[in-house]
Parts: sequence; C-alpha cells; structure tokens
Amino acid sequence: DIMMTQSPLSVAVTPGESASISCRSSKSLLHSNGITYLSWYLQRPEKSPQLLIYQISNLASGVSDRFSGSGSGTDFTLKISKVETEDVGIYYCVQFLEVPLTFGSGTKLEIK
Amino acid sequence: EVKLVESGGGLVQPGRSLKLSCAASGFNFNDYWMGWVRQAPGKGLEWIGEINKDSSTINYTPSLKDKFTISRDNAQNTLYLQMSKLGSEDTAIYYCASAIYYSYWGQGVMVTVSS
Repeated sequence: DIMMTQSPLSVAVTPGESASISCRSSKSLLHSNGITYLSWYLQRPEKSPQLLIYQISNLASGVSDRFSGSGSGTDFTLKISKVETEDVGIYYCVQFLEVPLTFGSGTKLEIK
Repeated sequence: EVKLVESGGGLVQPGRSLKLSCAASGFNFNDYWMGWVRQAPGKGLEWIGEINKDSSTINYTPSLKDKFTISRDNAQNTLYLQMSKLGSEDTAIYYCASAIYYSYWGQGVMVTVSS
C-alpha cells in the first residue's frame, strides 16, 4: 500500500495569514498517462469531507481560490491564503493512483 | 442537487452482520464508480472499497476484503455495504462517496459494535 504522510499534525493560524500543509507519499503518484493522482479534502467539524483539490492543483467546483496545491512525484503542498474562520477543520491528502486508496493522517487547522 | 443518503446504521452486537445502504439522487448514478469510506471516533479516514458502474470490478482494502461486500442496484440508484463478523474495531461513521475523486459524499451513518 502507498503510505501518505502529512505534516504538521496541527497548525494554528491568525485570520488573514497563510497556512501550508505538507503531504508525502511513499511512491510517486505520477501515472504513465501523465496525471498525478493526489487530492486534498477538508473535513469541517461534524461534517462530511469535502473535495478541495484534485490532480495536485485543480480546484474542485465551488472551492475558494484561496486554496492552492502544488508539488510533484512524492511531495505535495496545500496552501491556504488569507485564512478565514470557515477554514477550520482537518485537511487530508489522498492518493488515487492505485488501490487501496490511502489517506494521510490529517492536519488540524485552528484559528489563533 | 446531488444527494447521497446513507442508512441502516445503529447498534449491533459483536460477531453479527449489518447492511448499509446509500441512496443516490441528482446525478446519473449509472455513470459513476461508487465508494465507501469510514471514520472511527476521533480518527482519520479509511477507504473501504469501491465498485464500478456495472459491478464488474469491485476493489477492497485488503484488511476488510473477507468481511465486507460492496454491491449496487442501478435500477434503484442505491449502493450497499454488507458487513459481517463485526467487531468493536468496526465502530465508525460510514460514508458513501461518488464521482471522480469522490466529489460527492453522504452525511454518513454511525455503526456501533457493542454488546
């Protein structure tokens, strides 16, 4: 199975500032078709997960452009610009390259 | 509006079975792979498995392959998860998810395994 490692475990951010979350995979997520199968989700408190980003950097429908993704191969970053209180929750990266799909352990974002 | 509604959860004794359902609406159910993901209390997300459009391909996470069975009824726009030999480690919220990269999620259904 592909292991997904996220850091940090938690981050506290002042509203209006930025936050970055790292995700590392144990194997390159680049498929032979040229697509890298790395997605990001946000799970707000007591809610279902919500897709934020797919294929490293593509924003899901309706997602604020304050969210951006970058990276390649095995190292990926989610950046949240101008953090707002509604961004509070747990962020997960997940690989869709192969089954079983595997999630990172999550990064909790809190507001200072 | 896309809706996924899970049902069938509740309290179940260890060793028993339970079948969850996920009713889909607002999109063409027949066109999409569907998946199940669970979340134990206070823990992260765990992928259970997925089923393709015509049920010809079903994938599971290895540790659950012998306990859980995923199926679907395209005529009823419904996804199922049959769970057997349940143990306390199966206590979790169970989510169904659909569309590419799991764009849509249900609200989840709680399953508690306890005597």
